[in-house]
Amino acid sequence: DIVMIQSPDFLAVSLGERATINCKSSQSVLYISNNKNYLSWYQQKPGQPPKLLISWASSRQSGVPDRFSGSGSGTDFTLTINNLQAEDVAIYYCQQYYHTPYTFGQGTNLEIK
Amino acid sequence: EVLLVQSGAEVKKPGESLKISCKGSGYRFTNTWIGWVRQMPGKGLEWMGSIYPDDSDIRYSPSFQDQVTISADKSINTVYLHWSSLKASDTAMYYCARLENYFDYWGQGTLVTVSS
Repeated sequence: DIVMIQSPDFLAVSLGERATINCKSSQSVLYISNNKNYLSWYQQKPGQPPKLLISWASSRQSGVPDRFSGSGSGTDFTLTINNLQAEDVAIYYCQQYYHTPYTFGQGTNLEIK
Repeated sequence: EVLLVQSGAEVKKPGESLKISCKGSGYRFTNTWIGWVRQMPGKGLEWMGSIYPDDSDIRYSPSFQDQVTISADKSINTVYLHWSSLKASDTAMYYCARLENYFDYWGQGTLVTVSS
């Protein structure tokens, strides 16, 4: 199984500042033949299902604010949230869909400082 | 609009059976994989398995193989998650989600509580 490790587990950032969440996979999720990273990011607010933010490591979903961005390749990925807003308080998960079993990171709990 | 609507919360006793459902609409249901994801209380997300409704091709996570059964009825755009004998450790929120490589649309979740 591909193990996904996120860091940090908890993150407190001031309003208007930048939040950075890292995700590392135990093996590369870059498919060489199409040069795509099979990595997605989700946001889960309390009492709600997860919401897809980013697919293919850096492709933002329609309707997701452009302060959210994804980067990275191979085994190391980052979710960046610029200009942090109060509504961004949530748990964030990365997930690989390169190989079954699909696996998620343990989650990063983002709070306002 | 893509919608996945799940059945309501359940309270069961250990040893009982249970089938929960997920009904899709707003897209070509039969030709898109649907996955089930478990979230135990206060914990993270775990993929359990996925089904292709058109031919009921199923992929299970090894962690859940033989623990649950996934099925589909394409005539009513519905997929199911079934337990033959529940355990207290099955207490969790269960989500269905459309699988287009990644999980792009999610159901609202079904809370299953197993307690004597």
